[in-house]
Amino acid sequence: EDQVTQSPEALRLQEGESSSLNCSYTVSGLRGLFWYRQDPGKGPEFLFTLYSAGEEKEKERLKATLTKKESFLHITAPKPEDSATYLCAVQERESGGSYIPTFGRGTSLIVHP
Amino acid sequence: DGGITQSPKYLFRKEGQNVTLSCEQNLNHDAMYWYRQDPGQGLRLIYYSQIVNDFQKGDIAEGYSVSREKKESFPLTVTSAQKNPTAFYLCASSSAVNTDTQYFGPGTRLTVL
Repeated sequence: EDQVTQSPEALRLQEGESSSLNCSYTVSGLRGLFWYRQDPGKGPEFLFTLYSAGEEKEKERLKATLTKKESFLHITAPKPEDSATYLCAVQERESGGSYIPTFGRGTSLIVHP
Repeated sequence: DGGITQSPKYLFRKEGQNVTLSCEQNLNHDAMYWYRQDPGQGLRLIYYSQIVNDFQKGDIAEGYSVSREKKESFPLTVTSAQKNPTAFYLCASSSAVNTDTQYFGPGTRLTVL
């Protein structure tokens, strides 16, 4: 069973149509949750880090929120340039000391003009 | 400009050959990582290094080797023992393994002919 599950796998939106991406996790204790944006053929670009339930962070049209079992990446009035794959990664509090994040498989977002 | 560089961007290899992928960072980060990314899968950890002259195996280390002789550099060798080497390889760094944000390089796409 995956520790980090992202849904949906793919999402198509019209420009201006707001929506949310989900990242659910099953680690016993969360140290940190990370969101990245990845464009085709490029490395992931860091967006946000969230540490505790109730925390929210915003950047332009993106807002990340965190609960005890999942995180949402809300996209408000998206534009075609928001099209990318969004990756979620979870850092477990008790992981033998390494704290290496575990990544989900990503959500591929396409925003049509 | 601080960042992570990977070279080459594209690499072609014949079966049975070893190849080395380069990763350099000028962020003064202690920790460096290698990930493999395949379509529809999350990032999978190959090796990581917390400090010069030290490195640990990740989840899929078989068929790969690394070295960390300098803080700035963490090259990855894909050996002929790796059964399915065709993939997108990503290098990342963070200030330390037990801190949060990983920053990624642009990636190297390896194709075995």
